[in-house]
Amino acid sequence: SSELTQDPAVSVALGQTVRITCQGDSLRSYYASWYQQKPGQAPVLVIYGKNNRPSGIPDRFSGSSSGNTASLTITGAQAEDEADYYCNSRDSSGTNRVFGGGTKLTVL
Amino acid sequence: QVTLRESGPALVKPTQTLTLTCTFSGFSLSTSGMCVSWIRQPPGKALEWLARIDWDDDKYYSTSLKTRLTISKDTSKNQVVLTMTNMDPVDTATYYCARMEYGPSSSWFDPWGQGTLVTVSS
Repeated sequence: SSELTQDPAVSVALGQTVRITCQGDSLRSYYASWYQQKPGQAPVLVIYGKNNRPSGIPDRFSGSSSGNTASLTITGAQAEDEADYYCNSRDSSGTNRVFGGGTKLTVL
Repeated sequence: QVTLRESGPALVKPTQTLTLTCTFSGFSLSTSGMCVSWIRQPPGKALEWLARIDWDDDKYYSTSLKTRLTISKDTSKNQVVLTMTNMDPVDTATYYCARMEYGPSSSWFDPWGQGTLVTVSS
C-alpha cells in the first residue's frame, strides 16, 4: 500500500476550480511534487517545492500544503487538463521516494 | 536541454534478469546534487519508484524490490543502468528514468524519459 493517499477520481466543470489532494505523514515535513500524465505519455512535472511551476506550466496550476495534506489546485480547468495526476514525496525512511495512487481528473 | 532515453529488451522470460539503460544528455552525473531515478508503471496502474543513484554514487532502492535491483552509472557515457533479477509477469510495465533534483525540503523528477515497455512472458 502507498504511503501517499489520493482520491482515485475527481471531476470538474470546464472553467471551474478543482483541488486534488495527497495525504501522508511525510508531507508534514517534506513538500510533495506533482505530475500530470496523459494517456500514452510520460509524466510531466507540474508543481514542485513549496509552490513552484516549471517553465511552460500554466499559472492556473498551484500547490499548497497543510499538515499531512498536499494539494494541487487548478484554477479555471481546461479541457486539456484532463489527465491522471500523481503526487510524490519521500517515504518513512526519509531516503526513498513514493508515489500516490494517482487521481484521474475529468473535465466536464 | 536535458533529455533522457530508456533502452532495453521489450520482452523477457520469467526468471530472467532485465537490464535497462538510461542514456541522458544536458547534465552530468558527476555534478554535485545530480541524481537519476528509475520509475515503473504497470499497464493501467500507478507509478512506482524503484531506485535512485546520486552523483556521489550513493544508491537507494525500493524496500519491496531491494533484493532484486541493482543501479549503477557510467559517468563517461552519461548512462545509468538498472538490473532487475528473477523477472515475473507482474513486472510487466513501462519503465521510466528521470533526473531527480533537490530543493529546500523537496525533491522532484524532471524531465522524464519517454519510457520503455517491458513485457514478461514465456
